[in-house]
Amino acid sequence: DAKTTQPPSMDCAEGRAANLPCNHSTISGNEYVYWYRQIHSQGPQYIIHGLKNNETNEMASLIITEDRKSSTLILPHATLRDTAVYYCIVKALRDDKIIFGKGTRLHILP
Amino acid sequence: DTAVSQTPKYLVTQMGNDKSIKCEQNLGHDTMYWYKQDSKKFLKIMFSYNNKELIINETVPNRFSPKSPDKAHLNLHINSLELGDSAVYFCASSQDGGPDTQYFGPGTRLTVL
Repeated sequence: DAKTTQPPSMDCAEGRAANLPCNHSTISGNEYVYWYRQIHSQGPQYIIHGLKNNETNEMASLIITEDRKSSTLILPHATLRDTAVYYCIVKALRDDKIIFGKGTRLHILP
Repeated sequence: DTAVSQTPKYLVTQMGNDKSIKCEQNLGHDTMYWYKQDSKKFLKIMFSYNNKELIINETVPNRFSPKSPDKAHLNLHINSLELGDSAVYFCASSQDGGPDTQYFGPGTRLTVL
């Protein structure tokens, strides 16, 4: 079973920041937080990951709380192409298995 | 060039047939995977191979047999297809070491009639 809890769906206006929350209260010390997304009819796409520090790349920012029990993925300026299902995953670095939960279906509204 | 490719993109076949789905990655990765996404959109791992050796084999019927002729290819052969095998199958790959992220192919939609 997935070790994360996410809201089933969210809406965000185009051009605004999309903030996607994730709870992972049972995360272990060696587990990272990964985010993937799946755009309709495509394969999942890696977005970002982190251990305890906040991370930023060209796609998004990841904010992890100090106790590591929750995190937020931030898409700073959402576009219509960001409409997708977003998966928050916790996984140890050398653990090959990704366990996908139900994710959050993000709708970007024009 | 596509990093992880799968063929065919669509596969429609009759119950009881045997079919194969091919996967190739040109990323030089060491590990490859097969995932199944059913009609409810749940994505579950089936197998993983590292350097041609089976690492993960989830509770998948033995009608499903992964075959890895070399590090860049992981094919999925399915015998005696059943209606419940209808799903989208995704191949993925990852590199040992580094950030441990997985790169997914575009998927193969299998429909069993």
